[in-house]
Amino acid sequence: AQKITQTQPGMFVQEKEAVTLDCTYDTSDPSYGLFWYKQPSSGEMIFLIYQGSYDQQNATEGRYSLNFQKARKSANLVISASQLGDSAMYFCAMYGWGKLQFGAGTQVVVTP
Amino acid sequence: GAVVSQHPSWVICKSGTSVKIECRSLDFQATTMFWYRQFPKQSLMLMATSNEGSKATYEQGVEKDKFLINHASLTLSTLTVTSAHPEDSSFYICSARVAGVPDTQYFGPGTRLTVL
Repeated sequence: AQKITQTQPGMFVQEKEAVTLDCTYDTSDPSYGLFWYKQPSSGEMIFLIYQGSYDQQNATEGRYSLNFQKARKSANLVISASQLGDSAMYFCAMYGWGKLQFGAGTQVVVTP
Repeated sequence: GAVVSQHPSWVICKSGTSVKIECRSLDFQATTMFWYRQFPKQSLMLMATSNEGSKATYEQGVEKDKFLINHASLTLSTLTVTSAHPEDSSFYICSARVAGVPDTQYFGPGTRLTVL
């Protein structure tokens, strides 16, 4: 069994500030992957960043970085220098046992 | 990058009718496709895993006779909602898996189904 938890239903962040979105997980699969997706109001799922369970270094993709703490089973997303276009729903997801399971999501609103 | 399309992007139908949603991988072959359902303000829930040339594997609680999945080719999977009812109204999203490191899923743009 696997479980993925996002405890922040919504967050406001000011433009140009950094924001951290929390994600914790639990799985019995020794090999797994952690993903973050962005879902704007249009509904499309946009892949942001990936972290493999055996990766030693934290993943980074432009303004996105993943703070992976394996022992604590957390995979927080950090968005630096927030932009108005970052306003969206953000989902943490875990791939294990052949399936991708999503957290409940965090709604981010970026204010001017 | 890998592109997945869905058709239609939205559909409104009467209760009791059937609706077919297509999911296509445009520039790659996908041996495995996934179907998700997302109710308003909620997360994506996996409905079924579709493998080319074989029967789909449904998640617990998903009626296989109501949600018919066909994966006839390496680039096309279809989801048919049979005898749709208002409670089936939802956002249906497909994804196609590209095997590798990492195992990545590319998502379609989704289909919004409204059953009147």
